[in-house]
Amino acid sequence: DAKTTQPTSMDCAEGRAANLPCNHSTISGNEYVYWYRQIHSQGPQYIIHGLKNNETNEMASLIITEDRKSSTLILPHATLRDTAVYYCIVDYTGANSKLTFGKGITLSVRP
Amino acid sequence: DTAVSQTPKYLVTQMGNDKSIKCEQNLGHDTMYWYKQDSKKFLKIMFSYNNKELIINETVPNRFSPKSPDKAHLNLHINSLELGDSAVYFCASSGAFYGYTFGSGTRLTVV
Repeated sequence: DAKTTQPTSMDCAEGRAANLPCNHSTISGNEYVYWYRQIHSQGPQYIIHGLKNNETNEMASLIITEDRKSSTLILPHATLRDTAVYYCIVDYTGANSKLTFGKGITLSVRP
Repeated sequence: DTAVSQTPKYLVTQMGNDKSIKCEQNLGHDTMYWYKQDSKKFLKIMFSYNNKELIINETVPNRFSPKSPDKAHLNLHINSLELGDSAVYFCASSGAFYGYTFGSGTRLTVV
């Protein structure tokens, strides 16, 4: 069972920032927060992950609260191609990893 | 070069047949996985192999048998196909620390 809670859907205007929230109040100390997305009919795509500190890469930023019970994925300038289902997942790394997908949040970027 | 490649992309077959889906990764990852995405779009892990050793075996019918001839390959063989096996099957691989890389999926239709 997924250990995260996400809204079902949200939308944002093209060019604006998309802030996708996630609650993971039962996260354990060694679990990371991962974000993936699945664009229609394609395989899931890794976006970013973090443990405690905020992280940024070429795709997105990840903001994790100090108590680690929630996080926000930020797409700084959403485009139409960012329309997808976004999954927030808590998981261990390495051999103990077992990526378990929940329902995710459907992000619709409107022109 | 495609990092995780699956063949075939589409597979239509009759009930009762036996079929195989092949997966290969060229990322040098130690762990490979099979996921199933049903018509309701839920992604569920089926199996994982680490260096050719089975480490995750979820509640999957015995008709599904994974085989890993080497750490770059993980094939999925399905015996006596049933209508309920119709789904998209995704192969994935992961290294020591970063996220999973998924293939583009195999859409299996049992008629």
